[in-house]
Amino acid sequence: DVVMTQTPVSLSVSLGGQVSISCRSSQSLVHNNGNTYLSWYLQKPGQSPQLLIYKVSNRFSGISDRFSGSGSGTDFTLKISRVEPDDLGVYYCGQGTQYRTFGGGTKLELK
Amino acid sequence: EVQLVESGGGLVKPGSSLKLSCVASGFTFSSYGMHWIRQAPKKGLEWIALIYYDSSNKYYADSVKGRFTISRDNSKNTLYLEMNSLRSEDTAMYYCAKTYDGTYSFAYWGQGTLVTVSS
Repeated sequence: DVVMTQTPVSLSVSLGGQVSISCRSSQSLVHNNGNTYLSWYLQKPGQSPQLLIYKVSNRFSGISDRFSGSGSGTDFTLKISRVEPDDLGVYYCGQGTQYRTFGGGTKLELK
Repeated sequence: EVQLVESGGGLVKPGSSLKLSCVASGFTFSSYGMHWIRQAPKKGLEWIALIYYDSSNKYYADSVKGRFTISRDNSKNTLYLEMNSLRSEDTAMYYCAKTYDGTYSFAYWGQGTLVTVSS
């Protein structure tokens, strides 16, 4: 099974600031077809998760350009710039290259 | 607009069974694979099952293999999860989810249905 490890577990940020969340996979996420199926999700309190980023760096429909994804192979990063109150919650990375697994989550809180 | 509405959760005793449903709308249900994902209280997300659009293939997480069965009725636009031999560690919010075409990313989620396994 592909194990996804996120760091840090929690993060404090000031409104307007910038943060980065790291996600590392136990195996390369490059699929046989050449694509890398790494996604990022945000789960706001009391809500279902929502898709932010797919295939490493592509923003899903309606997602602000303050969110950006990068990385390759086994190491990936989500950056959030100009943090707003609505960005707070738990962020998960997830892989779809080999079945499906998620990282343990990173809780983003206000400083 | 894609909508997924789960139902069937509740409080059950260890060893018992429960069947969840997910009614889909806003897309051609019979053309898409569907998933179940769960989240234990205060814990992270765990993918548990996938069924192909035509039920030809089904895949399960090791944690539920042999106890849970995913199925679908395309004539009713409904996805199911039959859960047997339930354990306390199966206590969770259960979500059905649909991926975004060609991305293997979960773009659409239901609101979830809560399953509590306790004596």
